[in-house]
Amino acid sequence: DIVMTQSPDSLAVSLGERATINCKSSQSVLYSSNNKNYLAWYQQKPGQPPKLLISWASTRESGVPDRFSGSGSGTDFTLTISSLQAEDVAVYYCQQCYSTPQTFGQGTKLEIK
Amino acid sequence: EVQVLESGGGLVQPGGSLRLSCVASGFTFSSYAMGWIRQAPGRGPEWVSVISGSGESTYYADSVKGRFTISRDNSKNTLYLQMNSLRAEDTALYFCAKNVHISCYSPFGSWGQGTLVTVSS
Repeated sequence: DIVMTQSPDSLAVSLGERATINCKSSQSVLYSSNNKNYLAWYQQKPGQPPKLLISWASTRESGVPDRFSGSGSGTDFTLTISSLQAEDVAVYYCQQCYSTPQTFGQGTKLEIK
Repeated sequence: EVQVLESGGGLVQPGGSLRLSCVASGFTFSSYAMGWIRQAPGRGPEWVSVISGSGESTYYADSVKGRFTISRDNSKNTLYLQMNSLRAEDTALYFCAKNVHISCYSPFGSWGQGTLVTVSS
């Protein structure tokens, strides 16, 4: 199974500042035949289901603010929030869909400093 | 608008069975893979199972393989999860989700609110 490890486990950032969350996979999730990274990022707020933010490591979903961006390839990935807003307080998860079981990271709790 | 609505959760004794259902609307159901993801209280999501748009391909987490069966009825726009031999560790909120693609190897773009399964004597 591919193990997804996020860092840090929790993060406190001031409003308007940059937040960076890392995700590392135990093996590459880059599919060479199409050059796509099978890595997604989700945001989960209390009492709600996870919401897909980023697909294929860097493709922002429709309606997701452009302050959210994803980067990385192979085994190392980053979710960046360029200017933290109050509504961004949530737990963020990465997930690999390269192979089954399609594992999630343990989550990063983002709070306001 | 894409909607998925789960039902069928409840309290069941260890060793018992439950069948979850998920009714989908707002998209061509047979054109997308669908999956089940669960989340135990205070824990992160755990991928459970996924099924292709045609229903021909299914995949399971090791923790549920041989006990759970995913299926779909494309004529009814409905996804199912038959859960047998339930254990205390299966207690969780079970989400139904639509993949972003016909392939099972794609992220989950739309999620339901979940149905709670509690396994306890």
